[in-house]
Amino acid sequence: NAGVTQTPKFQVLKTGQSMTLQCAQDMNHEYMSWYRQDPGMGLRLIHYSVGAGITDQGEVPNGYNVSRSTTEDFPLRLLSAAPSQTSVYFCASSAHLPQGLFFGQGTRLTVV
Amino acid sequence: DAKTTQPPSMDCAEGRAANLPCNHSTISGNEYVYWYRQIHSQGPQYIIHGLKNNETNEMASLIITEDRKSSTLILPHATLRDTAVYYCIVRAHTGTASKLTFGTGTRLQVTL
Repeated sequence: NAGVTQTPKFQVLKTGQSMTLQCAQDMNHEYMSWYRQDPGMGLRLIHYSVGAGITDQGEVPNGYNVSRSTTEDFPLRLLSAAPSQTSVYFCASSAHLPQGLFFGQGTRLTVV
Repeated sequence: DAKTTQPPSMDCAEGRAANLPCNHSTISGNEYVYWYRQIHSQGPQYIIHGLKNNETNEMASLIITEDRKSSTLILPHATLRDTAVYYCIVRAHTGTASKLTFGTGTRLQVTL
């Protein structure tokens, strides 16, 4: 079982560049979400989705877009990267409640 | 979702039980208590969850008070590999269930 797969693992961007962080899960989970983790801040929810075609904002959505065209994939797009978006990004998925979240191994993004 | 309060750090001797407290005094009747941990910069790992009864699995035990306003995660025989940040979160069973937010957790240091 692959679980939740995130690509790339590491990325360096220049300010103003755009990119997409990929997240895929093979567990047929309906719920998927993106978090960012900064030192001393814990995990903060960026966007989430309760199923294909449905997305919603979390705590810190500005500067990020998401889409959910399939159950398996939930990409996170940075439209115009800023140094403030330097962080570790985690994707997670879950089946219907009350099951727990499964997390990917993270993408470490640096914006210079 | 209800807010949670955890001590920022705790120490535990290897082989001893580690008891990690969590306060969730505003928890609603349909909200579950979940525990996760994060080792180094890896993705968070699900440990256990419960609604009102005590729960046990191969990793840990979860004790929830009768009024459900607090809970304790118990690692019965802590090892050095249990050194991690432990997150206590609450999650509703319906409605905004998917909007899950992590706090800053408790950093558990297991020592020889």
